[in-house]
Amino acid sequence: NAGVTQTPKFQVLKTGQSMTLQCAQDMNHEYMSWYRQDPGMGLRLIHYSVGAGITDQGEVPNGYNVSRSTTEDFPLRLLSAAPSQTSVYFCATIKRGFNEQYFGPGTRLTVT
Amino acid sequence: GQQVMQIPQYQHVQEGEDFTTYCNSSTTLSNIQWYKQRPGGHPVFLIQLVKSGEVKKQKRLTFQFGEAKKNSSLHITATQTTDVGTYFCAGGSGYSTLTFGKGTMLLVSP
Repeated sequence: NAGVTQTPKFQVLKTGQSMTLQCAQDMNHEYMSWYRQDPGMGLRLIHYSVGAGITDQGEVPNGYNVSRSTTEDFPLRLLSAAPSQTSVYFCATIKRGFNEQYFGPGTRLTVT
Repeated sequence: GQQVMQIPQYQHVQEGEDFTTYCNSSTTLSNIQWYKQRPGGHPVFLIQLVKSGEVKKQKRLTFQFGEAKKNSSLHITATQTTDVGTYFCAGGSGYSTLTFGKGTMLLVSP
């Protein structure tokens, strides 16, 4: 099992560009989430999903969209990138009935 | 909303010294989790505590959950260089909501 995979590992965008960060899991976990990690700020929840077809906002959702059409995939879209979105992005999953989060390896995004 | 504060932000110890990080929540938690993130890596789950006053041990690591379920601590006995990383607590108030502290970065010198 690959667990949680994220692509790309690194990305540089110009201000105003759009892109999608991919997250996929093969563990059949119902719950998936996106976090951003900035120096000294810990992990902040962007969006989460408790199952296919259901998404909700976290602490810092502005500037990001998500969808969950399948159990396996949970892409994060940046519609118009801004320098404030420079960060490391982590996708995580939880199996229903447990609380342990499994994190992907992360995507390091720089917006210039 | 719920806030989780973690102290200290940073600690540098000599190998063999003990280390403790503390986590305090503004609200009562249903559970608390601890994660470790090595430099350049991703957070890895260490443990979850759910009962008031609970204490759990993993080798040299001791985790405690306060009686009021609003604070927690992680203590490492006799640190090793392999303990280097950032330790995060995360407070849960439900299945899908988890608030992370800002983490304590531990540096261990040989």
